[in-house]
Amino acid sequence: QQQVRQSPQSLTVWEGETAILNCSYEDSTFDYFPWYWQFPRESPALLIAIRPVSNKKEDGRFTIFFNKREKKLSLHITDSQPGDSATYFCAASGRGSSGNKLIFGIGTLLSVKP
Amino acid sequence: EAAVTQSPRNKVAVTGGKVTLSCNQTNNHNNMYWYRQDTGHGLRLIHYSYGAGSTEKGDIPDGYKASRPSQENFSLILELATPSQTSVYFCASGDALGVNQDTQYFGPGTRLLVL
Repeated sequence: QQQVRQSPQSLTVWEGETAILNCSYEDSTFDYFPWYWQFPRESPALLIAIRPVSNKKEDGRFTIFFNKREKKLSLHITDSQPGDSATYFCAASGRGSSGNKLIFGIGTLLSVKP
Repeated sequence: EAAVTQSPRNKVAVTGGKVTLSCNQTNNHNNMYWYRQDTGHGLRLIHYSYGAGSTEKGDIPDGYKASRPSQENFSLILELATPSQTSVYFCASGDALGVNQDTQYFGPGTRLLVL
């Protein structure tokens, strides 16, 4: 049973467009939602994260929108650049989760065409 | 600069052989993690540790053991390697407390091929 689901599995946009990556989760006790990105042949790295005290988190061209009632969140990448082409992982952890464990989705492969 | 390093970076093993993957971190983090990454599955947690001397089972621990002899080092051991364990393995470290307590910092990965 997947606790964190991502869609689409792959997404292609043109340079300058807005890419929207979706994530949903099962466990209502989750209270931390990071997005990691991973470039080919590299390791995952934290991109941006949100806690449910707010429903929006911005960092430059990257914005997380969070809907606690529907247990959904999305990552919006505005003015997409070819350098944004990577796999994006949504993850979640819960308050008091042992060892601060993260549960990852299977990822969305984003391709930005010039 | 804080860092997580892994060795070896690439490994070819034979079925039934023993494989040890090593991870070292200079972040002074209490928590360390071992993941495997496979197409269609994302990152799956194998074992993790709260600190030296502790190891805990993650979501897919079968066929793997872990060892945390010190704050800096965390090893993943495959006693009897099988082809199904062919994968990319990532080690990560993270703070137990503090403003960055939920952030995990990943090593470069180890590509393991079991023949």
